[in-house]
Amino acid sequence: TQLLEQSPQFLSIQEGENLTVYCNSSSVFSSLQWYRQEPGEGPVLLVTVVTGGEVKKLKRLTFQFGDARKDSSLHITAAQPGDTGLYLCAAAKSGGSNYKLTFGKGTLLTVNP
Amino acid sequence: GAGVSQSPRYKVAKRGQDVALRCDPISGHVSLFWYQQALGQGPEFLTYFQNEAQLDKSGLPSDRFFAERPEGSVSTLKIQRTQQEDSAVYLCASRGGLMNTEAFFGQGTRLTVV
Repeated sequence: TQLLEQSPQFLSIQEGENLTVYCNSSSVFSSLQWYRQEPGEGPVLLVTVVTGGEVKKLKRLTFQFGDARKDSSLHITAAQPGDTGLYLCAAAKSGGSNYKLTFGKGTLLTVNP
Repeated sequence: GAGVSQSPRYKVAKRGQDVALRCDPISGHVSLFWYQQALGQGPEFLTYFQNEAQLDKSGLPSDRFFAERPEGSVSTLKIQRTQQEDSAVYLCASRGGLMNTEAFFGQGTRLTVV
């Protein structure tokens, strides 16, 4: 059962455009992570957010954790073809199973040159 | 090697065959996870080891699935009497600490049951 809803599921844009993808849940999480996965590879961690309202920047990527720690967004500025991939959010629930990451279905991003 | 290594990368099995998938985690990593990723989906949790102890196997879909990590390093995921619905990418991840530290994933094993 996927507890994290990601939207949109697919996104195809032109190089240079900006985009935002979302990760939403009805559950509260102790932390939330964003991964990027390329074809034939495992997911690679981009960022971990822990504090409600937290904003982190990684070059052209901006990550935000919701105040209530239930949702997050990833904004990419001036997208490049190298940004193409599957973006996954993953979260650990508060409480006893906080070692276990639950993943969303992902947003498949294609950036066309 | 420096990363998580999984073998084989690809496996084709006839329905009913048993398969064994191997994961070599990063040396010294305490935590090890197995995930199943179906086409177009995010990874789904299968099982978790802390050293050699299997602390959570709640995600294993049936009793045909079995995982072990006898010496607290290499892990094997075994699937008995494979079915077509077992076709997926099986990902292994390891983490140095017990929680709230980065998990490193292997490239996965793509299993196709025909």
